[in-house]
Amino acid sequence: GQNIDQPTEMTATEGAIVQINCTYQTSGFNGLFWYQQHAGEAPTFLSYNVLDGLEEKGRFSSFLSRSKGYSYLLLKELQMKDSASYLCAVIDSNYQLIWGAGTKLIIKP
Amino acid sequence: GAVVSQHPSWVICKSGTSVKIECRSLDFQATTMFWYRQFPKQSLMLMATSNEGSKATYEQGVEKDKFLINHASLTLSTLTVTSAHPEDSSFYICSARGGQEQETQYFGPGTRLLVL
Repeated sequence: GQNIDQPTEMTATEGAIVQINCTYQTSGFNGLFWYQQHAGEAPTFLSYNVLDGLEEKGRFSSFLSRSKGYSYLLLKELQMKDSASYLCAVIDSNYQLIWGAGTKLIIKP
Repeated sequence: GAVVSQHPSWVICKSGTSVKIECRSLDFQATTMFWYRQFPKQSLMLMATSNEGSKATYEQGVEKDKFLINHASLTLSTLTVTSAHPEDSSFYICSARGGQEQETQYFGPGTRLLVL
């Protein structure tokens, strides 16, 4: 079966750094997404990785290792507005998007 | 970036009525549109995938006669919840794919449906 694992919930402090991990087992791989979803809102696109390595975009970076079936989202200089759920999603060989359950990130002052 | 709009953002209706939700890609042509449902504190659940000009593909357990999807153009898809009941109350979100970044799904703001 297809499976994406990410922690259910994480807590971090304002100004700190947090890494949200995602491991996947899918039938084929055509890319991995990270989305941010604030409570009561629709998801917004953060990043797309299809090759191994680190993609940096401002305070957010996303890393991918295809051989390990692993990705992480790194958030630096955390702000209170970063409190949200972070969704990992993988495109499989049929170009279907397989979603993780999301990681709820709580930022404390 | 690609923009997707959804209308209406809020619907309150009586049980038994039908509700239509529109999803539009504003600045790109969406080859594929997706409809999701999300219950409070739960994950996104894909309901159906639709390609312009063809019938939608529904996920297992989603009644196609109850959730009618029409993808009449490259910029518009509609979801009609027919004979809505309180258990259909949920957050319905559409997404579209087909912009410059072909694989990325861009989400609409969502529609909250409350059936009384």
